[in-house]
Amino acid sequence: AQSVTQPDIHITVSEGASLELRCNYSYGATPYLFWYVQSPGQGLQLLLKYFSGDTLVQGIKGFEAEFKRSQSSFNLRKPSVHWSDAAEYFCAVGTDTDKLIFGTGTRLQVFP
Amino acid sequence: KAGVTQTPRYLIKTRGQQVTLSCSPISGHRSVSWYQQTPGQGLQFLFEYFSETQRNKGNFPGRFSGRQFSNSRSEMNVSTLELGDSALYLCASSPGTSGRGADTQYFGPGTRLTVL
Repeated sequence: AQSVTQPDIHITVSEGASLELRCNYSYGATPYLFWYVQSPGQGLQLLLKYFSGDTLVQGIKGFEAEFKRSQSSFNLRKPSVHWSDAAEYFCAVGTDTDKLIFGTGTRLQVFP
Repeated sequence: KAGVTQTPRYLIKTRGQQVTLSCSPISGHRSVSWYQQTPGQGLQFLFEYFSETQRNKGNFPGRFSGRQFSNSRSEMNVSTLELGDSALYLCASSPGTSGRGADTQYFGPGTRLTVL
């Protein structure tokens, strides 16, 4: 069965620092990969998605993610974090025949 | 286009009662999925409806049910509420034209249910 792992429950960075959130998936074929962000008390907002093609995907708010098949990873990155990026981030994996599976989330805290 | 809307945004119920939550998808979207989010369990898939038919279901007891109408609006119902049902219930809509997990899901703001 497919699965998604986000190893980091909580990450703290300083404003202006770079950020990388890890996501590993387990699936036999190439899945569809997503990153969502959730602010407190809100729903999830799509940051970016990977279906095929270029393995480096650009998203909204200056985020990007790189699909690495050999490592079964889809890590989210941002070169310079802003205080407004503090939120919870979810990685998700989907296939043509099954529902979307979400990771447990990584809570990002940003210090000024 | 208007986003996904969920009503009500907040609900307080007592144990044993039942509750109905509503979700209006993005215009043109035919698939609606429901999720339960709690601090301890994270995001858990409840069920998905496509063209008024349930086509996927998570591991929740039969107290949790749902339906979808011909206009794609969806409702979920929880009967005989328990304290553990307190959660944020999220609805997501997608076009439904791709494979199930390939569709991009767009989420509503959620309904915060508190069971006392």
